Amino acid sequence: EAGVAQSPRYKIIEKRQSVAFWCNPISGHATLYWYQQILGQGPKLLIQFQNNGVVDDSQLPKDRFSAERLKGVDSTLKIQPAKLEDSAVYLCASSLEITGYGYTFGSGTRLTVV
Amino acid sequence: AQSVTQLDSQVPVFEEAPVELRCNYSSSVSVYLFWYVQYPNQGLQLLLKYLSGSTLVKGINGFEAEFNKSQTSFHLRKPSVHISDTAEYFCAVSPLRTGRRALTFGSGTRLQVQP
Repeated sequence: EAGVAQSPRYKIIEKRQSVAFWCNPISGHATLYWYQQILGQGPKLLIQFQNNGVVDDSQLPKDRFSAERLKGVDSTLKIQPAKLEDSAVYLCASSLEITGYGYTFGSGTRLTVV
Repeated sequence: AQSVTQLDSQVPVFEEAPVELRCNYSSSVSVYLFWYVQYPNQGLQLLLKYLSGSTLVKGINGFEAEFNKSQTSFHLRKPSVHISDTAEYFCAVSPLRTGRRALTFGSGTRLQVQP
């Protein structure tokens, strides 16, 4: 079974620029999550999708972050404009909700804002 | 809401020695519990999980954890560590409520296995 694919692996941008991350979940996984992991901290949920609907985006900074999941498959996370404090690893995970906790994480995108 | 506290940010240990990584949680609802491992520049890999049943859970790579409901703890143990166990370990919880099963993570414990 193919894993969760994320791209790019690394991104360096200047503050106030925009950036987008892409995630392709495991085929058939209805639930998709984006997490932000700041250096030295545990991952923090940004947004949860069930198919192409948003289940929880309470911790997403909506003034600068946006996410979508078209057709209930791939997802993109965008930051516009970026701030220095957005430097982090952005992890995507998917799960087959019906069977429980079969979470699979991607390798993440490491964002550095300078 | 849930919160997870990992009491040690770093745990140095010699190879072949036993190790325990501590995790305590707080939640107003029943939760499931997890331990994940993260190797450098990689995503998170599930070590083990507690959903129900026996409170002693065995996972991959020789790790095990014990759920203690009265102490709200879920400590991770391994009787003999290897150099390859050097990594960051995260404890996490998720509410039982269907549809909102996002994980809440602790801040992590860096296990450093020395020869």
